Amino acid sequence: GESVGLHLPTLSVQEGDNSIINCAYSNSASDYFIWYKQESGKGPQFIIDIRSNMDKRQGQRVTVLLNKTVKHLSLQIAATQPGDSAVYFCAEKRAENTGNQFYFGTGTSLTVIP
Amino acid sequence: DGGITQSPKYLFRKEGQNVTLSCEQNLNHDAMYWYRQDPGQGLRLIYYSQIVNDFQKGDIAEGYSVSREKKESFPLTVTSAQKNPTAFYLCASKQQGASTDTQYFGPGTRLTVL
Repeated sequence: GESVGLHLPTLSVQEGDNSIINCAYSNSASDYFIWYKQESGKGPQFIIDIRSNMDKRQGQRVTVLLNKTVKHLSLQIAATQPGDSAVYFCAEKRAENTGNQFYFGTGTSLTVIP
Repeated sequence: DGGITQSPKYLFRKEGQNVTLSCEQNLNHDAMYWYRQDPGQGLRLIYYSQIVNDFQKGDIAEGYSVSREKKESFPLTVTSAQKNPTAFYLCASKQQGASTDTQYFGPGTRLTVL
């Protein structure tokens, strides 16, 4: 399954399938991006990050892709598990921002169907 | 056990009262942040502090106040001037000057105005 965070805030996938969550960011000067996972009633948990000088970065079962041309970020989760059910949102940091302020997307709610 | 702690987890306030939310970190991070999270919206920055005894307003500072007397503590006071304080409040921290710009979050405090 694939979603665009702001236009399709929910995504349902079968257990074992791959998930793709998308995020469109706003500022071409943004130089650092993070994906967070947030379970209901809890604080956001860091998943993976990427700097603007990279196109792809891989972690354990997760991959982040960055397309600076169209200002698009995606999170791929391989072999999605029920424990992956949560809200996922992206955060962007702008290069001129000395206070390290981030701008956050509204998130996509991922539901994994057993 | 290192990390960021927030207390209380749930807080109820009567209209006209000030309340203070606690945020403590033992990560030795220099910078700390307060965000507000509302349903369907991305996190919004209230205040941030990059060093002890210094803090800056974020995008929605009106009706809030902070202090940073110790490196490990960054309490947030929600004053009676905040017209719509019911929300989920998240504290975050980051090590300044580190090779990573990642912010790490606490578990959050849910504030409800009765």
